[in-house]
Amino acid sequence: EAQVTQNPRYLITVTGKKLTVTCSQNMNHEYMSWYRQDPGLGLRQIYYSMNVEVTDKGDVPEGYKVSRKEKRNFPLILESPSPNQTSLYFCATKGQGTGYTFGSGTRLTVV
Amino acid sequence: GEDVEQSLFLSVREGDSSVINCTYTDSSSTYLYWYKQEPGAGLQLLTYIFSNMDMKQDQRLTVLLNKKDKHLSLRIADTQTGDSAIYFCAEMPNYGGATNKLIFGTGTLLAVQP
Repeated sequence: EAQVTQNPRYLITVTGKKLTVTCSQNMNHEYMSWYRQDPGLGLRQIYYSMNVEVTDKGDVPEGYKVSRKEKRNFPLILESPSPNQTSLYFCATKGQGTGYTFGSGTRLTVV
Repeated sequence: GEDVEQSLFLSVREGDSSVINCTYTDSSSTYLYWYKQEPGAGLQLLTYIFSNMDMKQDQRLTVLLNKKDKHLSLRIADTQTGDSAIYFCAEMPNYGGATNKLIFGTGTLLAVQP
């Protein structure tokens, strides 16, 4: 079954403690992306990757890092999380001629 | 600039039709999408329409596209309580195929009353 797997689903952490949200896809797609969802703002793109070793900033990249060392994985890294990064995060992938497939989401709370 | 607007809330009675509206700004968008998000769940692609189409029907769902007014709508016939969710409109501007970026609206919460 084609899927995008994010871990963890829920995470509560403290300000400044580095964390990584993992994302893996089994569809052999080149394109992957991270979005955050906030009430009243919809989904906003954080970073995207067109292919292995190729990443670029989206609309709200501040405070985040990503890496794309292999095609299937696209982790999101928060080096020093702050409370304004409390949000619902979605990883997504897209193939040629297909729509986006989203992961189930990671709800992050930074206290 | 890029902007997709939706009304925030819609309440209908079970069995009625629901119409969720969306306006977008980028006329270069090749694809326009509707996603559904149920409570605590991820985003499910409901349907999409190519920009050269005016209408697309898929069972209970009808998508209408007015390119001149940059207006997109989703009609759900015979709305059921299971249709209660947040519905997102999204466009994919054509940056020469460079980014595949989706621009989302703020989402419309559809509440279906039994």
